[in-house]
Amino acid sequence: NAGVTQTPKFQVLKTGQSMTLQCAQDMNHEYMSWYRQDPGMGLRLIHYSVGAGITDQGEVPNGYNVSRSTTEDFPLRLLSAAPSQTSVYFCASSYYERLNEQFFGPGTRLTVL
Amino acid sequence: GNSVTQMEGPVTLSEEAFLTINCTYTATGYPSLFWYVQYPGEGLQLLLKATKADDKGSNKGFEATYRKETTSFHLEKGSVQVSDSAVYFCALSEGASYDKVIFGPGTSLSVIP
Repeated sequence: NAGVTQTPKFQVLKTGQSMTLQCAQDMNHEYMSWYRQDPGMGLRLIHYSVGAGITDQGEVPNGYNVSRSTTEDFPLRLLSAAPSQTSVYFCASSYYERLNEQFFGPGTRLTVL
Repeated sequence: GNSVTQMEGPVTLSEEAFLTINCTYTATGYPSLFWYVQYPGEGLQLLLKATKADDKGSNKGFEATYRKETTSFHLEKGSVQVSDSAVYFCALSEGASYDKVIFGPGTSLSVIP
């Protein structure tokens, strides 16, 4: 099993550009989520999904879109990047019955100039 | 609302020293409590958990006891190694949904030979 994979590892964008962060898992987990990690603030939930075709907003959803067309993939889209979105982004997944035991990807470090 | 407070870092210890990282929480009900660890360049990994009062979670020589009377879940290890250098996150979960998982800000630990 590859676990949770994320691409790219690093990305630099200019303000206003759009991009998609990729996340995939091969553990057949129902739940998937995106977090951002900022210094001194821990992890904050952006969006999450309880299964294919179902998504919901977390704590900080503004400026981000998600979709879940398959169980395996959960891409995060930045529609118009802003410097405030400079952060490290983590994708995570878990089984429904072990919701709180999340498996995390290695992260994407995004810089918006 | 629910929240998690951790001692501020960074914490620097010599190899074989005793480690305590304090964590206290605020919750309206009876949450489950977790410690996650993030090694350099990697995503978070679940280290240990406790689901009810007086439970002790343990893994890799780390321990934490769920203390309801003091609303605490302090992480301890008797003898740290250089390989324990990482960021440690305390987290709580109250309910069966991702948006009910709250992470603390993290405590950075550096262990020097």
